[in-house]
Amino acid sequence: ETGVTQTPRHLVMGMTNKKSLKCEQHLGHNAMYWYKQSAKKPLELMFVYNFKEQTENNSVPSRFSPECPNSSHLFLHLHTLQPEDSALYLCASSQTHANYEQYFGPGTRLTVT
Amino acid sequence: DQQVKQNSPSLSVQEGRISILNCDYTNSMFDYFLWYKKYPAEGPTFLISISSIKDKNEDGRFTVFLNKSAKHLSLHIVPSQPGDSAVYFCAASMAGGGNKLTFGTGTQLKVEL
Repeated sequence: ETGVTQTPRHLVMGMTNKKSLKCEQHLGHNAMYWYKQSAKKPLELMFVYNFKEQTENNSVPSRFSPECPNSSHLFLHLHTLQPEDSALYLCASSQTHANYEQYFGPGTRLTVT
Repeated sequence: DQQVKQNSPSLSVQEGRISILNCDYTNSMFDYFLWYKKYPAEGPTFLISISSIKDKNEDGRFTVFLNKSAKHLSLHIVPSQPGDSAVYFCAASMAGGGNKLTFGTGTQLKVEL
């Protein structure tokens, strides 16, 4: 596997479910990100991890819980979501320094029913 | 308040002609700008970037121009090819902002035969 992979690619969940999104990068990067893309809106940064430490939480509701066990893996744990949380969730990675391009995974299309 | 704006949601160009995609920003602290391309069912892929110390950067068929006084940048694709049909996102970052990117809403480019 190369680049940034995300699983699952599609997820349908009820509002009372608990699920997790997984991201893995094979690029040797030490920064990882979660973004949300809703229809007709720009990509919204959710969380940033540098060297496994969370350095940014962009006022994300607590029903989204990230986890970064090492520099190659990133999870987004989901619980008691709302229908408005339905979106494309994208993971990205980069070197930790500013002005390095971020490499994106294909995303997980989440539908909350 | 959207700090990076792409006011044209779509653009249609004939094969072989020039495609010009525009982006405006409001935050004068931004000092590094990137363009990403996104195909359906894939994550955004990095295309080209420019630092605020430059006003032009060229890579093959792709050239990015930066006008700091107007807070405007543009991406030129010459000649346009059908494979260039995708959504193009403009993104910006700032020194001291860590590795956070602020994205525009994207422009759908369609290159017609």
